Amino acid sequence: DAGVTQSPTHLIKTRGQQVTLRCSPISGHKSVSWYQQVLGQGPQFIFQYYEKEERGRGNFPDRFSARQFPNYSSELNVNALLLGDSALYLCASSPVGTGTGELFFGEGSRLTVL
Amino acid sequence: AQKVTQAQTEISVVEKEDVTLDCVYETRDTTYYLFWYKQPPSGELVFLIRRNSFDEQNEISGRYSWNFQKSTSSFNFTITASQVVDSAVYFCALRSYNTDKLIFGTGTRLQVFP
Repeated sequence: DAGVTQSPTHLIKTRGQQVTLRCSPISGHKSVSWYQQVLGQGPQFIFQYYEKEERGRGNFPDRFSARQFPNYSSELNVNALLLGDSALYLCASSPVGTGTGELFFGEGSRLTVL
Repeated sequence: AQKVTQAQTEISVVEKEDVTLDCVYETRDTTYYLFWYKQPPSGELVFLIRRNSFDEQNEISGRYSWNFQKSTSSFNFTITASQVVDSAVYFCALRSYNTDKLIFGTGTRLQVFP
């Protein structure tokens, strides 16, 4: 079975631009979470979506938004990019989103903002 | 507030040495889960273990073992007879019940030299 897949794997943007990152969860998983990992730090929680509804939001500005589609895939959007948005963006999926199971992570999308 | 502290930023050992990675956590929840993840250079977070707050039994899996002590809020990870392939960044993480939000520590970079 395929794991969590993310696209694109690498991308370069300039300040002020907008970016969309995509995530396909493991088949059968209904919960998707997004994390930002700045170089040298641990991942920071951005969003959780379960059954297409937002379940949780981390301490990120409104420039960050996300959504989940009927097939449980998800997109993370970041508007008005800043240099500080340069990071590895990780997507994780779990079966029910209630915290009782493992979270499975993708390999991430590495965003560089110039 | 919830917090995970990994005081060791970087550890270097020679192959076959034993090494322990420390993790201390803070939470007011009575039900929670603790995790260890391994992050190789590829970026993907590889799940190693999950422990719930009601299970303080130590666990051994091959060369890996985990010591969970609720009294000291610690969840330490030991690698016995380390190998070069163990070189990676290791993250300890905390998750409350009923959410997929993980609180990560800052990670410990382990370098195993031949």
